[in-house]
Amino acid sequence: DTAVSQTPKYLVTQMGNDKSIKCEQNLGHDTMYWYKQDSKKFLKIMFSYNNKELIINETVPNRFSPKSPDKAHLNLHINSLELGDSAVYFCASSQEHRANSPLHFGNGTRLTVT
Amino acid sequence: QKEVEQNSGPLSVPEGAIASLNCTYSDRVSQSFFWYRQYSGKSPELIMSIYSNGDKEDGRFTAQLNKASQYVSLLIRDSQPSDSATYLCAVNFGNEKLTFGTGTRLTIIP
Repeated sequence: DTAVSQTPKYLVTQMGNDKSIKCEQNLGHDTMYWYKQDSKKFLKIMFSYNNKELIINETVPNRFSPKSPDKAHLNLHINSLELGDSAVYFCASSQEHRANSPLHFGNGTRLTVT
Repeated sequence: QKEVEQNSGPLSVPEGAIASLNCTYSDRVSQSFFWYRQYSGKSPELIMSIYSNGDKEDGRFTAQLNKASQYVSLLIRDSQPSDSATYLCAVNFGNEKLTFGTGTRLTIIP
């Protein structure tokens, strides 16, 4: 029974398109995150939500818009995709919004923009 | 800017030897420190956390923290081929989010 699941696993699309990635967690955690991992393995936080409320919004282009309909779901919509958006996007959750609360990652979505 | 630095490797270690992974960070105020393991094509998973100076042991893994020198290390004893992965150091700089290093790729040679 997958704890943090995200879909799709792979996403190949052309520049200028709009795409969404969905994430769901069944751990009962209060906090969910989106991370981006580039080709050099650098993992950087994009957003965090605690109980559907946006807490962390890093310096991310406005083309990226997260949405949390409830605390078990956090989706990421990306408008006008650019080549530089190609990366692996990880959804994660933690019990509470504290840095000491262990992160549970989904399996990642590999986005390729051509 | 708060930073976490790791040698990207690859670090090659013979099977059965001790693998030593190092991480330095930029801010003395840092509160807590974590090691995540990431197998190729998979997601990161937490393997160790450490909050105070000294050593913390968990099975074959030992985390070492030296806040004065601003480094944290991970030792893996009796290295196994299954330990081959990228190891990500993560630091909480007191802003309730983790800052990750770029990771060290470890290869255990049978």
